[in-house]
Amino acid sequence: AQSVAQPEDQVNVAEGNPLTVKCTYSVSGNPYLFWYVQYPNRGLQFLLKYITGDNLVKGSYGFEAEFNKSQTSFHLKKPSALVSDSALYFCAVRGFKNSGGYQKVTFGTGTKLQVIP
Amino acid sequence: EAGVAQSPRYKIIEKRQSVAFWCNPISGHATLYWYQQILGQGPKLLIQFQNNGVVDDSQLPKDRFSAERLKGVDSTLKIQPAKLEDSAVYLCASGGEQYFGPGTRLTVT
Repeated sequence: AQSVAQPEDQVNVAEGNPLTVKCTYSVSGNPYLFWYVQYPNRGLQFLLKYITGDNLVKGSYGFEAEFNKSQTSFHLKKPSALVSDSALYFCAVRGFKNSGGYQKVTFGTGTKLQVIP
Repeated sequence: EAGVAQSPRYKIIEKRQSVAFWCNPISGHATLYWYQQILGQGPKLLIQFQNNGVVDDSQLPKDRFSAERLKGVDSTLKIQPAKLEDSAVYLCASGGEQYFGPGTRLTVT
């Protein structure tokens, strides 16, 4: 069964500093990987995805994520954090079967990012 | 481009009552998902449609939950009868990248 782990419930970072939100996954077949952000009382917003190609994926709002196959990780990064980045971040994975077809998307439990002014 | 629409935004019902949620996906998106998000947890997939066919409903509690997408466009999710533990936000998403609607917050008392 596929799974996603977000080992940190909360990440605190000072405004202007680089941020990293960690995600590791377990899946059979090739992974499709996603990051979503959820602001208070709002739905999830798609940030970025990795399907194939360059291991460094760039997404919305200046975020990027690095796919590392050997470490089965897909950490979310941003060079300079903004107070407005404070939100709940979810990593998600979908396994793609070599025989065709895909598994359902599995979400992590989320990491709360707090950017301190 | 209009986003995913959901209604109602909020619903309060008593246990054992029934409730229905509606979702209109982004135009042209063949794939539609319903998720349940309990407070403090990540979204859990309830059901996935490809056009009007069910792709995955392995985590849908079929004794009380049902969903349909008759014309391959909008969809309804129904709970009958509701239990206290069904209190959650019900999210609809469409497309391969899963663009989410604002969700319906259900409170069962």
